[in-house]
Amino acid sequence: KAGVTQTPRYLIKTRGQQVTLSCSPISGHRSVSWYQQTPGQGLQFLFEYFSETQRNKGNFPGRFSGRQFSNSRSEMNVSTLELGDSALYLCASSVGTATYEQYFGPGTRLTVT
Amino acid sequence: LAKITQPISMDSYEGQEVNITCSHNNIATNDYITWYQQFPSQGPRFIIQGYKTKVTNEVASLFIPADRKSSTLSLPRVSLSDTAVYYCLVAYGSSNTGKLIFGQGTTLQVKP
Repeated sequence: KAGVTQTPRYLIKTRGQQVTLSCSPISGHRSVSWYQQTPGQGLQFLFEYFSETQRNKGNFPGRFSGRQFSNSRSEMNVSTLELGDSALYLCASSVGTATYEQYFGPGTRLTVT
Repeated sequence: LAKITQPISMDSYEGQEVNITCSHNNIATNDYITWYQQFPSQGPRFIIQGYKTKVTNEVASLFIPADRKSSTLSLPRVSLSDTAVYYCLVAYGSSNTGKLIFGQGTTLQVKP
């Protein structure tokens, strides 16, 4: 069974630009969650989607948004990038909601210059 | 305000049992506690999950006391390959829409 895939793996953007990251969950998984990982703040929950609906959202500004498609694939978007948005963005999928066992992808390393 | 604390680092030797404790306040009866392992340049990997008493699988055990204000991940007979960062995750409000909060992670160094 294929694991969670994230594209792109690495990305360099300039302040003020926007970026879209993609996540393909494990086949049959309906929940996709997004996390931001930085050395200073650790792993922080961004949002969770289940059956195309945002089920929960962490404490991030509105510049961070996401969506889920009917095939469970998900995208997250960050607009008006700031230097502090440089981080590893991880996607995780699970059969049910994110309270269940989650399978993480390798992440997208975003660098904002 | 939900807060999760774990030790920043721990050292152990091969073959020893390692116990990592996570403290989590304001946890409700049905809020799940999950532990993940992360190696450099990889996403976290699921280890074990539970919400009360004791859970055991082929790689670890999870102990949750009656007051549920803490939980302990137990790794029996660690090896060098268990050197990694271990995260505690609490799904607050599991019965409804949950806030997923990670601890800061415990770096476990296993020595030969």
